[in-house]
Amino acid sequence: GAVVSQHPSWVICKSGTSVKIECRSLDFQATTMFWYRQFPKQSLMLMATSNEGSKATYEQGVEKDKFLINHASLTLSTLTVTSAHPEDSSFYICSARDSRRGGYGYTFGSGTRLTVV
Amino acid sequence: QKEVEQNSGPLSVPEGAIASLNCTYSDRGSQSFFWYRQYSGKSPELIMFIYSNGDKEDGRFTAQLNKASQYVSLLIRDSQPSDSATYLCAADMDSNYQLIWGAGTKLIIKP
Repeated sequence: GAVVSQHPSWVICKSGTSVKIECRSLDFQATTMFWYRQFPKQSLMLMATSNEGSKATYEQGVEKDKFLINHASLTLSTLTVTSAHPEDSSFYICSARDSRRGGYGYTFGSGTRLTVV
Repeated sequence: QKEVEQNSGPLSVPEGAIASLNCTYSDRGSQSFFWYRQYSGKSPELIMFIYSNGDKEDGRFTAQLNKASQYVSLLIRDSQPSDSATYLCAADMDSNYQLIWGAGTKLIIKP
């Protein structure tokens, strides 16, 4: 149980375009979802926390107008990278919390490798 | 600032030996602690979580928690080359169920 599906796995886009990444909880309701970014050989960096039906809470230094997060349902959250630039190239990972599972409640998606050319 | 600290490594361990990974945390309010394994280019996967002082065993893995010392460890017995990965330690925060992440320890199991 507690599967999180993340799509796409990888994407290449041109500079200036927008990219949408989807994160779905397949067998549970994810009241809280987290979006992380990870650069090569670095640890996870939390970008934002989203709760279903409310605005996302962004970490300091993360531009909310550039990284649009929508968590409109209990099973789907999306991250849209708007006007992407090469420096946005990174590994983006979502994580969802299944409140039924207590300490096991944090499940990661498989990640999306974004390359902006 | 709330922090979780890990030695970045790499930690090199011969195959079949015990690998010991350590983590300290700063927030005494943290209640639950997690060990995740991350292979290169992949997302983290949960190995174990622990919230009570003492040891918790699951197969070849043992998590140890000492709240007085604010110290969490992960022992991997009979280490295998497939255990080679980066191991991330995380502690929970009260607010909004966020986790505080360590930078990870790279573990290399040498055949």
